[in-house]
Amino acid sequence: DAGVTQSPTHLIKTRGQQVTLRCSPKSGHDTVSWYQQALGQGPQFIFQYYEEEERQRGNFPDRFSGHQFPNYSSELNVNALLLGDSALYLCASSLRTSGRAGEQYFGPGTRLTVT
Amino acid sequence: AQKVTQAQTEISVVEKEDVTLDCVYETRDTTYYLFWYKQPPSGELVFLIRRNSFDEQNEISGRYSWNFQKSTSSFNFTITASQVVDSAVYFCALIVTGTASKLTFGTGTRLQVTL
Repeated sequence: DAGVTQSPTHLIKTRGQQVTLRCSPKSGHDTVSWYQQALGQGPQFIFQYYEEEERQRGNFPDRFSGHQFPNYSSELNVNALLLGDSALYLCASSLRTSGRAGEQYFGPGTRLTVT
Repeated sequence: AQKVTQAQTEISVVEKEDVTLDCVYETRDTTYYLFWYKQPPSGELVFLIRRNSFDEQNEISGRYSWNFQKSTSSFNFTITASQVVDSAVYFCALIVTGTASKLTFGTGTRLQVTL
């Protein structure tokens, strides 16, 4: 049973560039949430996708956008990168109808460094 | 708005000592769920426990135990007879109903267990 996978593992980008991070949910899950975890901080909710639509969004600017594909995998796009976007980006998957609200499975994350 | 506070930034103990990690939460909702996650150096968040707001029974799982007290809005986590493998960052998190999978995390407590 494959867990949540994310790619790439590490990424280094320059200010102003754009980046795309990818996530494949745990088998059987249909909902993907993205979190940003700055160094020494707890994860911050970016947004959630279900049925290929953004369902909820945290306090992040429009530079952060996403997409969910029919196979439930998801992408996180960040435009016009800032130094402050350097963080660990975590993807979490869940099953919307599981009846176990909030129980999410996290991937290993993508470490993004902006120079 | 919801808030989770983990006042202990870092705790160091010697192996076999008991240790308690504190978590205080704030929410106006009457129905919510509390979580603890473990984040080892690899970065992946590991789910430990989920507790709903109507269930104040304490729970024990092996060396782990959780104490939920609504009167003080606390959900503390105790590790008995700590081991070096328990070294990690531990996060307390909260979800309120109606926000689907939007976890609100505390800032985490780094636990260092030494021989």
